[in-house]
Amino acid sequence: DVKVTQSSRYLVKRTGEKVFLECVQDMDHENMFWYRQDPGLGLRLIYFSYDVKMKEKGDIPEGYSVSREKKERFSLILESASTNQTSMYLCASSLWVRDRGLASKNIQYFGAGTRLSVL
Amino acid sequence: AQSVSQHNHHVILSEAASLELGCNYSYGGTVNLFWYVQYPGQHLQLLLKYFSGDPLVKGIKGFEAEFIKSKFSFNLRKPSVQWSDTAEYFCAVNSLYGNNRLAFGKGNQVVVIP
Repeated sequence: DVKVTQSSRYLVKRTGEKVFLECVQDMDHENMFWYRQDPGLGLRLIYFSYDVKMKEKGDIPEGYSVSREKKERFSLILESASTNQTSMYLCASSLWVRDRGLASKNIQYFGAGTRLSVL
Repeated sequence: AQSVSQHNHHVILSEAASLELGCNYSYGGTVNLFWYVQYPGQHLQLLLKYFSGDPLVKGIKGFEAEFIKSKFSFNLRKPSVQWSDTAEYFCAVNSLYGNNRLAFGKGNQVVVIP
Protein backbone atom coordinates (compact mmCIF):
# COMPACT_ATOMS: atom_id res chain seq x y z
CA ASP A 1 0.00 0.00 0.00
CA VAL A 2 1.09 3.54 -0.75
CA LYS A 3 1.88 5.48 2.35
CA VAL A 4 1.93 9.26 2.55
CA THR A 5 2.99 10.48 5.95
CA GLN A 6 2.57 13.99 7.27
CA SER A 7 4.76 14.74 10.24
CA SER A 8 2.13 16.39 12.44
CA ARG A 9 -1.63 15.90 12.81
CA TYR A 10 -2.10 19.13 14.78
CA LEU A 11 -0.03 22.29 14.99
CA VAL A 12 -0.60 25.54 16.83
CA LYS A 13 1.55 28.49 15.85
CA ARG A 14 1.63 32.21 16.47
CA THR A 15 1.23 34.93 13.88
CA GLY A 16 4.56 35.72 12.26
CA GLU A 17 6.19 32.37 13.00
CA LYS A 18 7.89 30.39 10.27
CA VAL A 19 6.12 27.06 9.89
CA PHE A 20 7.32 23.87 8.21
CA LEU A 21 4.93 21.10 7.20
CA GLU A 22 6.63 17.90 6.18
CA CYS A 23 5.39 15.12 3.93
CA VAL A 24 7.06 11.83 3.03
CA GLN A 25 5.91 9.16 0.57
CA ASP A 26 7.29 5.66 0.24
CA MET A 27 6.28 4.72 -3.32
CA ASP A 28 8.92 6.49 -5.40
CA HIS A 29 6.28 8.80 -6.89
CA GLU A 30 7.47 11.67 -9.05
CA ASN A 31 4.57 13.99 -8.27
CA MET A 32 3.86 15.51 -4.90
CA PHE A 33 1.19 18.04 -4.02
CA TRP A 34 0.18 20.36 -1.20
CA TYR A 35 -3.48 21.34 -0.78
CA ARG A 36 -5.40 23.23 1.79
CA GLN A 37 -8.92 22.13 2.69
CA ASP A 38 -11.46 24.61 4.01
CA PRO A 39 -15.19 24.07 4.65
CA GLY A 40 -17.24 24.89 1.58
CA LEU A 41 -14.16 25.50 -0.57
CA GLY A 42 -13.02 21.93 -1.13
CA LEU A 43 -9.36 21.25 -1.84
CA ARG A 44 -7.28 24.02 -3.33
CA LEU A 45 -3.84 23.34 -4.73
CA ILE A 46 -1.04 25.40 -3.21
CA TYR A 47 2.06 23.99 -4.90
CA PHE A 48 3.12 20.81 -6.60
CA SER A 49 6.35 19.21 -7.70
CA TYR A 50 6.99 16.71 -10.47
CA ASP A 51 10.65 16.09 -9.74
CA VAL A 52 13.37 16.81 -7.22
CA LYS A 53 14.07 20.54 -6.98
CA MET A 54 11.18 21.26 -9.38
CA LYS A 55 8.10 23.10 -8.25
CA GLU A 56 5.09 24.76 -9.78
CA LYS A 57 2.56 27.13 -8.32
CA GLY A 58 -0.94 25.90 -7.85
CA ASP A 59 -4.04 28.02 -7.49
CA ILE A 60 -3.25 29.71 -4.17
CA PRO A 61 0.54 29.95 -3.71
CA GLU A 62 0.62 33.36 -2.02
CA GLY A 63 2.17 33.23 1.42
CA TYR A 64 3.63 29.76 0.88
CA SER A 65 6.79 28.23 -0.48
CA VAL A 66 7.94 24.63 -0.93
CA SER A 67 11.07 22.57 -0.94
CA ARG A 68 11.82 19.24 -2.61
CA GLU A 69 15.40 18.23 -1.98
CA LYS A 70 14.72 14.48 -2.07
CA LYS A 71 12.22 12.56 -4.17
CA GLU A 72 10.33 11.18 -1.18
CA ARG A 73 10.01 14.42 0.78
CA PHE A 74 8.02 17.57 0.02
CA SER A 75 7.92 20.42 2.51
CA LEU A 76 5.46 23.29 2.71
CA ILE A 77 6.77 26.48 4.29
CA LEU A 78 4.80 29.36 5.69
CA GLU A 79 7.41 32.12 5.86
CA SER A 80 5.35 34.26 8.25
CA ALA A 81 2.20 32.57 9.39
CA SER A 82 -1.02 34.56 9.43
CA THR A 83 -4.42 33.79 10.90
CA ASN A 84 -5.94 33.32 7.44
CA GLN A 85 -3.63 30.36 6.97
CA THR A 86 -5.46 28.44 9.67
CA SER A 87 -6.63 25.39 7.78
CA MET A 88 -6.28 21.67 7.14
CA TYR A 89 -3.27 20.95 4.94
CA LEU A 90 -3.18 17.80 2.84
CA CYS A 91 -0.21 16.28 1.08
CA ALA A 92 -0.59 13.88 -1.84
CA SER A 93 1.63 11.96 -4.23
CA SER A 94 1.22 10.22 -7.58
CA LEU A 95 3.17 8.77 -10.43
CA TRP A 96 4.05 10.99 -13.37
CA VAL A 97 1.93 9.76 -16.27
CA ARG A 98 2.16 10.79 -19.90
CA ASP A 99 1.24 7.56 -21.64
CA ARG A 100 -2.47 6.87 -21.99
CA GLY A 101 -1.69 3.22 -21.41
CA LEU A 102 -0.46 4.07 -17.91
CA ALA A 103 -3.48 6.16 -16.99
CA SER A 104 -4.45 3.64 -14.33
CA LYS A 105 -1.36 4.66 -12.41
CA ASN A 106 -2.39 8.30 -12.22
CA ILE A 107 -4.04 8.18 -8.81
CA GLN A 108 -3.26 10.64 -6.06
CA TYR A 109 -2.76 9.22 -2.58
CA PHE A 110 -3.30 11.45 0.39
CA GLY A 111 -1.79 11.81 3.82
CA ALA A 112 -3.90 12.13 6.97
CA GLY A 113 -3.60 15.91 6.99
CA THR A 114 -2.17 18.53 9.32
CA ARG A 115 -4.62 20.82 11.06
CA LEU A 116 -2.81 24.10 11.54
CA SER A 117 -4.10 26.81 13.83
CA VAL A 118 -2.43 30.22 13.69
CA LEU A 119 -3.21 32.39 16.69
CA ALA B 1 -8.04 25.65 -16.52
CA GLN B 2 -10.20 22.74 -15.57
CA SER B 3 -13.03 23.50 -13.16
CA VAL B 4 -15.33 21.09 -11.37
CA SER B 5 -18.83 21.82 -10.07
CA GLN B 6 -20.58 19.95 -7.31
CA HIS B 7 -24.01 21.19 -6.31
CA ASN B 8 -25.99 20.87 -3.08
CA HIS B 9 -23.07 21.11 -0.72
CA HIS B 10 -25.09 19.75 2.22
CA VAL B 11 -27.18 16.62 1.76
CA ILE B 12 -29.20 15.07 4.57
CA LEU B 13 -31.05 11.84 4.06
CA SER B 14 -32.35 8.83 5.95
CA GLU B 15 -30.93 5.34 5.90
CA ALA B 16 -32.08 3.26 2.92
CA ALA B 17 -32.68 6.36 0.82
CA SER B 18 -30.98 6.65 -2.55
CA LEU B 19 -28.13 9.07 -3.04
CA GLU B 20 -27.03 10.87 -6.18
CA LEU B 21 -24.32 13.52 -6.21
CA GLY B 22 -23.74 15.54 -9.34
CA CYS B 23 -20.34 16.41 -10.79
CA ASN B 24 -19.73 18.49 -13.90
CA TYR B 25 -16.39 19.54 -15.33
CA SER B 26 -15.40 22.14 -17.88
CA TYR B 27 -12.65 20.67 -20.08
CA GLY B 28 -13.79 18.60 -23.02
CA GLY B 29 -10.65 16.68 -23.85
CA THR B 30 -9.40 13.34 -22.57
CA VAL B 31 -9.87 13.25 -18.83
CA ASN B 32 -9.51 10.96 -15.85
CA LEU B 33 -12.34 11.20 -13.33
CA PHE B 34 -12.36 10.41 -9.62
CA TRP B 35 -14.57 10.42 -6.59
CA TYR B 36 -12.82 10.66 -3.26
CA VAL B 37 -14.43 10.25 0.15
CA GLN B 38 -13.43 11.60 3.54
CA TYR B 39 -15.08 9.95 6.53
CA PRO B 40 -15.15 11.95 9.76
CA GLY B 41 -11.66 12.19 11.21
CA GLN B 42 -10.11 10.13 8.44
CA HIS B 43 -7.93 10.89 5.46
CA LEU B 44 -9.13 11.35 1.91
CA GLN B 45 -9.42 8.04 0.09
CA LEU B 46 -10.33 6.96 -3.40
CA LEU B 47 -13.93 5.79 -3.83
CA LEU B 48 -13.85 5.07 -7.55
CA LYS B 49 -12.25 6.18 -10.79
CA TYR B 50 -12.78 6.29 -14.52
CA PHE B 51 -9.97 6.16 -17.05
CA SER B 52 -11.50 4.51 -20.11
CA GLY B 53 -13.91 1.77 -21.20
CA ASP B 54 -17.32 1.13 -19.63
CA PRO B 55 -18.69 4.53 -18.57
CA LEU B 56 -20.46 2.96 -15.60
CA VAL B 57 -17.86 2.31 -12.93
CA LYS B 58 -18.29 0.58 -9.62
CA GLY B 59 -16.39 1.48 -6.51
CA ILE B 60 -16.16 0.41 -2.93
CA LYS B 61 -19.09 0.14 -0.52
CA GLY B 62 -21.76 -0.15 -3.21
CA PHE B 63 -21.07 3.17 -4.91
CA GLU B 64 -21.13 3.62 -8.66
CA ALA B 65 -20.64 6.53 -11.04
CA GLU B 66 -21.57 7.15 -14.63
CA PHE B 67 -19.45 9.09 -17.06
CA ILE B 68 -21.52 10.93 -19.67
CA LYS B 69 -19.08 12.59 -22.03
CA SER B 70 -21.69 14.66 -23.86
CA LYS B 71 -22.79 16.21 -20.58
CA PHE B 72 -19.29 16.57 -19.07
CA SER B 73 -20.65 14.76 -16.05
CA PHE B 74 -19.57 12.03 -13.64
CA ASN B 75 -22.40 11.58 -11.15
CA LEU B 76 -22.07 9.38 -8.09
CA ARG B 77 -24.87 7.09 -6.95
CA LYS B 78 -25.75 4.64 -4.25
CA PRO B 79 -29.17 2.95 -4.24
CA SER B 80 -29.48 2.57 -0.46
CA VAL B 81 -27.31 4.51 1.94
CA GLN B 82 -26.24 3.53 5.43
CA TRP B 83 -25.37 5.63 8.45
CA SER B 84 -21.71 4.78 7.81
CA ASP B 85 -21.88 6.64 4.48
CA THR B 86 -21.87 9.92 6.39
CA ALA B 87 -18.86 11.66 4.91
CA GLU B 88 -17.68 14.38 2.59
CA TYR B 89 -17.46 13.43 -1.07
CA PHE B 90 -15.22 15.13 -3.61
CA CYS B 91 -15.25 14.87 -7.37
CA ALA B 92 -11.91 15.38 -9.12
CA VAL B 93 -10.84 15.61 -12.74
CA ASN B 94 -7.55 15.79 -14.54
CA SER B 95 -6.39 16.08 -18.09
CA LEU B 96 -4.00 13.23 -18.73
CA TYR B 97 -1.78 15.16 -21.07
CA GLY B 98 -1.46 18.15 -18.78
CA ASN B 99 0.68 18.24 -15.70
CA ASN B 100 -1.04 15.47 -13.76
CA ARG B 101 -2.71 17.89 -11.37
CA LEU B 102 -6.26 17.33 -10.20
CA ALA B 103 -9.06 19.88 -10.11
CA PHE B 104 -11.41 19.25 -7.20
CA GLY B 105 -14.99 20.23 -6.67
CA LYS B 106 -16.02 21.92 -3.44
CA GLY B 107 -17.40 18.72 -2.01
CA ASN B 108 -20.72 17.37 -0.80
CA GLN B 109 -21.22 16.97 2.93
CA VAL B 110 -23.55 13.97 3.25
CA VAL B 111 -25.25 13.17 6.55
CA VAL B 112 -27.22 9.94 6.83
CA ILE B 113 -29.73 9.84 9.67
CA PRO B 114 -30.28 6.41 11.22
